[in-house]
Amino acid sequence: AQTVTQSQPEMSVQEAETVTLSCTYDTSESNYYLFWYKQPPSRQMILVIRQEAYKQQNATENRFSVNFQKAAKSFSLKISDSQLGDTAMYFCAFMKHGGYNKLIFGAGTRLAVHP
Amino acid sequence: ETGVTQTPRHLVMGMTNKKSLKCEQHLGHNAMYWYKQSAKKPLELMFVYSLEERVENNSVPSRFSPECPNSSHLFLHLHTLQPEDSALYLCASSQLEGTNTEAFFGQGTRLTVV
Repeated sequence: AQTVTQSQPEMSVQEAETVTLSCTYDTSESNYYLFWYKQPPSRQMILVIRQEAYKQQNATENRFSVNFQKAAKSFSLKISDSQLGDTAMYFCAFMKHGGYNKLIFGAGTRLAVHP
Repeated sequence: ETGVTQTPRHLVMGMTNKKSLKCEQHLGHNAMYWYKQSAKKPLELMFVYSLEERVENNSVPSRFSPECPNSSHLFLHLHTLQPEDSALYLCASSQLEGTNTEAFFGQGTRLTVV
């Protein structure tokens, strides 16, 4: 069975600074996807970034980038130039390739961005 | 307007009541999901419908009964719930094939059982 671990329950950062959220996972699968979702106070889960395991290049989306270390089973999220609107819960998630798209979530990291 | 719409946003019900949660997706997806989000716990997958057929039921008590009448609609029928069932219930949809298989979520129904 797959598991996803986020070891930082809470993080805080000053506006315009950079913060890194950690995620590790355990799986015996060789082909899978990893995601970071954001859940603001509005409660809607919003996809931030995705990574295919077969791709060595780290995914980037504007101010968001990941450090994907497949051998170490590590998938951290870096937020550059943090903005007040980045304040939210962040969830790391794993999905096996193929079949229906069952997501396995970590417990989440609450990020607070301060002015 | 989100691609996945859930109603109601908030629901308070007694333990003897019967209610239903509704989810509608406007994205043309062919898979739909119910997740439960409790305080201080990871999101838990409850049910998966693939092409309108239930393909996963994660040991969910029978007081939760899902229904998927078509690929755009998903319901969760609730009866004789317990206070520990109070949680945020999230619906999601996705496309099973192709390159864009990520799940899109609704805003959830905050359920309180009294």
